[in-house]
Amino acid sequence: SQQGEEDPQALSIQEGENATMNCSYKTSINNLQWYRQNSGRGLVHLILIRSNEREKHSGRLRVTLDTSKKSSSLLITASRAADTASYFCATDADYGQNFVFGPGTRLSVLP
Amino acid sequence: DGGITQSPKYLFRKEGQNVTLSCEQNLNHDAMYWYRQDPGQGLRLIYYSQIVNDFQKGDIAEGYSVSREKKESFPLTVTSAQKNPTAFYLCASSIDGVSRSGGNQPQHFGDGTRLSIL
Repeated sequence: SQQGEEDPQALSIQEGENATMNCSYKTSINNLQWYRQNSGRGLVHLILIRSNEREKHSGRLRVTLDTSKKSSSLLITASRAADTASYFCATDADYGQNFVFGPGTRLSVLP
Repeated sequence: DGGITQSPKYLFRKEGQNVTLSCEQNLNHDAMYWYRQDPGQGLRLIYYSQIVNDFQKGDIAEGYSVSREKKESFPLTVTSAQKNPTAFYLCASSIDGVSRSGGNQPQHFGDGTRLSIL
């Protein structure tokens, strides 16, 4: 089934460093979304990138999409301890289908 | 403030018991969703509703039931038929299920209900 798979499963960096997470999926998509989840909380939508877009920015976030490789990356620049969370990508395969979340990347930003 | 409210935050179920998780939204969204999250895993879709009085099964609907009598409310019942109910349950909503231009809209999530077995 259509599913995004994030890589790496876990990432630990120092405050101020950049964090890069990747998402791969299996079939063509309409759009891809990234979400953040703090421990014990609900998910928060970060950014949506459509299949005809290659790059999108939002504050310290940069998302790229390569439909030929069926992959996306999320870059968080100048990370802060508050960025510590799990990050999920969500993809939808066809019009009318609900999207599917990957297992997530757990990011730890150490002060 | 607009948002999604899930209650209770923690819930304990006795064997053979049905329990109901509440989800209310004041965002005027048409679509609502229920997900199950197990430790260290992604979200799995249980049920979704794109409009009042209509809902569809997701990937893991067995042992669960829902209703959508009001736009604002989408309660989930975990029945005794669900043999492994221990999980974190998340409710979400979106403006509509799928935009006219194709593709799903961003979802807004509640803060979840953690269900455990006594």
